[in-house]
Amino acid sequence: DTEVTQTPKHLVMGMTNKKSLKCEQHMGHRAMYWYKQKAKKPPELMFVYSYEKLSINESVPSRFSPECPNSSLLNLHLHALQPEDSALYLCASSRRGDTQYFGPGTRLTVL
Amino acid sequence: AQSVSQHNHHVILSEAASLELGCNYSYGGTVNLFWYVQYPGQHLQLLLKYFSGDPLVKGIKGFEAEFIKSKFSFNLRKPSVQWSDTAEYFCAVNADTYSGAGSYQLTFGKGTKLSVIP
Repeated sequence: DTEVTQTPKHLVMGMTNKKSLKCEQHMGHRAMYWYKQKAKKPPELMFVYSYEKLSINESVPSRFSPECPNSSLLNLHLHALQPEDSALYLCASSRRGDTQYFGPGTRLTVL
Repeated sequence: AQSVSQHNHHVILSEAASLELGCNYSYGGTVNLFWYVQYPGQHLQLLLKYFSGDPLVKGIKGFEAEFIKSKFSFNLRKPSVQWSDTAEYFCAVNADTYSGAGSYQLTFGKGTKLSVIP
């Protein structure tokens, strides 16, 4: 089973809202990732958690706040986003730094 | 830092034509190489990967890729494409660390859109 699940599938929010994206995997992977993907572009790495600790933050604005409550779950808390933050947000996981398996993504629209 | 270049932005083929998508990477050390596919409206799926061993790797749906170390290339091939292969294809690389585990930073190429005409 190489499944990574993400909720919600779609999210529309205003610039003053607070929302969260959720990601879950049950493959025993110890690395989890958040990516942002704009239309017709490759995914851009935002954050990496390794063994539930934040190991990489690619200079992401503080209006994006990741959280890893346990080894199976990864959240991305959103606050005061801008319209240019509208994108597909992808979660991925890997055993360590090897093959990454991607979830279906959350399509976010910021009004 | 590593980088990945995909030569073709958009490839248009008729069904049954052969496919080759180019991918070159830039990195001085040992790398792990991947091809991912993203069908319209769907998520990224792993097509195939190369870590070590036989440089000709076979993936799902009849795809294969050849790692040529001297050319820093990892081209994707399929002998006969189908309409259902219409998708965006991404080549990606991460650096292999001394411990044998890859780097967490997966670098993607810009992608090649494949359109197959029935």
